[in-house]
Amino acid sequence: GNSVTQMEGPVTLSEEAFLTINCTYTATGYPSLFWYVQYPGEGLQLLLKATKADDKGSNKGFEATYRKETTSFHLEKGSVQVSDSAVYFCALSARYTGGSQGNLIFGKGTKLSVKP
Amino acid sequence: DADVTQTPRNRITKTGKRIMLECSQTKGHDRMYWYRQDPGLGLRLIYYSFDVKDINKGEISDGYSVSRQAQAKFSLSLESAIPNQTALYFCATKDSANTGELFFGEGSRLTVL
Repeated sequence: GNSVTQMEGPVTLSEEAFLTINCTYTATGYPSLFWYVQYPGEGLQLLLKATKADDKGSNKGFEATYRKETTSFHLEKGSVQVSDSAVYFCALSARYTGGSQGNLIFGKGTKLSVKP
Repeated sequence: DADVTQTPRNRITKTGKRIMLECSQTKGHDRMYWYRQDPGLGLRLIYYSFDVKDINKGEISDGYSVSRQAQAKFSLSLESAIPNQTALYFCATKDSANTGELFFGEGSRLTVL
């Protein structure tokens, strides 16, 4: 079946450090891939997405590249800020999964804390 | 005003009580979802609805029921709440024409004593 595995947290970094959160997936066909972010006390919101192999999604200084050969979609940011402290979820949307086409499957989330 | 509104935001109840969580949206989306979030487990899908007449079970539907009263309204019920249903519940919406972006409410924190 379809699944998403992301690195366990929590991850604690100092401000301006480089961030990588690993995400790998298992899916039939060619899924779309997403990173969602959940700030404290809020719901999830889309951070970036990629819909086909080799696409790069980017937003707010974050980037992730859809790597079909390694079935990965790692999230990176060159210089994190305190305001980036949040929980990050990797997710996939498999296009043909019977009656649930298009439903998102989420990883377990990675909590990031950035210290000043 | 939020595009996806959940009520109540917080609720404490006792074992065996019936609880309803409500969700309304102003985005005009046809698809609506209920997720549950638990620490270390991420988000798990409880129920989803592709339109008013289409209701589907997700991966953890046991102990829950839903009602799609209108395109804009999707409620989640716990007929007889139990302590392991203590969690943060999220409603989300999606346009069927979209490639996958979900729009989430701010969550309803439920505690069952």
